[in-house]
Amino acid sequence: EVQLVQSGAEVKKPGATVKISCKVSGYTFTDYYMHWVQQAPGKGLEWMGLVDPEDGETIYAEKFQGRVTITADTSTDTAYMELSSLRSEDTAVYYCATGFYGNAFDIWGQGTMVTVSS
Amino acid sequence: AIRMTQSPSSLSASTGDRVTITCRASQGISSYLAWYQQKPGKAPKLLIYAASTLQSGVPSRFSGSGSGTDFTLTISCLQSEDFATYYCQQYYSYPLAFGQGTKVEIK
Repeated sequence: EVQLVQSGAEVKKPGATVKISCKVSGYTFTDYYMHWVQQAPGKGLEWMGLVDPEDGETIYAEKFQGRVTITADTSTDTAYMELSSLRSEDTAVYYCATGFYGNAFDIWGQGTMVTVSS
Repeated sequence: AIRMTQSPSSLSASTGDRVTITCRASQGISSYLAWYQQKPGKAPKLLIYAASTLQSGVPSRFSGSGSGTDFTLTISCLQSEDFATYYCQQYYSYPLAFGQGTKVEIK
């Protein structure tokens, strides 16, 4: 069974850094890009960026450029999303997602809630 | 960057109704469009990709059409489990982008 399993909820203070993991199973990790999507409470979906696990190449959305780092560890079939200089507006659920049909996402992680509060 | 605009933002409908949601891209995206359904507290679920291809396991009452800049998602006969929020997404170019969502509520 194809699965993306994310790490658990996090509570961080403003200015801190959070790193979320996404463990892959059921397919070859390096065959498909891994994406990250942000969803603030009661809001829509926002694409943050992707990593190509094959070579580590990344593309980031301009909104998050400079604060986000997406990586892939092929030894453990795990992708990571690190977001720094956290502020209250970063309070959101973060999803990893991948797609077997180009960049349409047919596989999603369960989501990780990140709360930024002093 | 390509912007995706959905309409309406919300709608009220009854079970059995035919529902249509529209998605417009700010520039042409060929058929690189996907539709998702999201229920509260859950990850989005892919319904349609390549504008009109039904994802495996998705009921045939869902259909998609369009190309270029204008797209539609149609639910032919609304069922109780279809009350949810729907998003379109372009994957023609980076940055990838979602529409703002359409909430389908019970009338």
